[in-house]
Amino acid sequence: SQKIEQNSEALNIQEGKTATLTCNYTNYSPAYLQWYRQDPGRGPVFLLLIRENEKEKRKERLKVTFDTTLKQSLFHITASQPADSATYLCALGGGSSNTGKLIFGQGTTLQVKP
Amino acid sequence: NAGVTQTPKFRVLKTGQSMTLLCAQDMNHEYMYWYRQDPGMGLRLIHYSVGEGTTAKGEVPDGYNVSRLKKQNFLLGLESAAPSQTSVYFCASTLTGLAGETQYFGPGTRLLVL
Repeated sequence: SQKIEQNSEALNIQEGKTATLTCNYTNYSPAYLQWYRQDPGRGPVFLLLIRENEKEKRKERLKVTFDTTLKQSLFHITASQPADSATYLCALGGGSSNTGKLIFGQGTTLQVKP
Repeated sequence: NAGVTQTPKFRVLKTGQSMTLLCAQDMNHEYMYWYRQDPGMGLRLIHYSVGEGTTAKGEVPDGYNVSRLKKQNFLLGLESAAPSQTSVYFCASTLTGLAGETQYFGPGTRLLVL
């Protein structure tokens, strides 16, 4: 069955450092991958989309890579700030049916310390 | 624009009771989704709808029913609540369901079944 794995342990880093979160998947060939941010008690909010034919995408301090051979995506936050503390979810999509359905990982909690 | 709203925010049920969760969106989106989020499990798709009057099963549909009588509303029903249905429920919507489209999430409904 399709499986997505994100680091289950929380990631603690110092302000100003680069945070790197990992998303690995098996038994799936996604056409695209999305990253969402979720704050406690709130719904997820979309951050970035990367398609299967793209190696890297950037948006301000965020960078996403997508390696379909390794079946892995890396999500980087450069010059991290305490306000970046949240849970980050990766989601895969693009199966045969055009329904926009996504499969989500369990999320990685990032804590940025001042 | 309110975006995606969910009612109620929090509810406590006794085993065997029924209830309906309401999701409303004011973005004229065609596709709507219901997820549940449990610790360590990530978001799992319960049911979804690709347009007014349509519904389809997701990954974990058992024990739930849905209806999409109006385009802007997507209702999730629990006919006979069980403790295993204790969870946080999120509704999401997308404009057309095309590949890579952003899902917009509501704030969630926290349900406790005793």
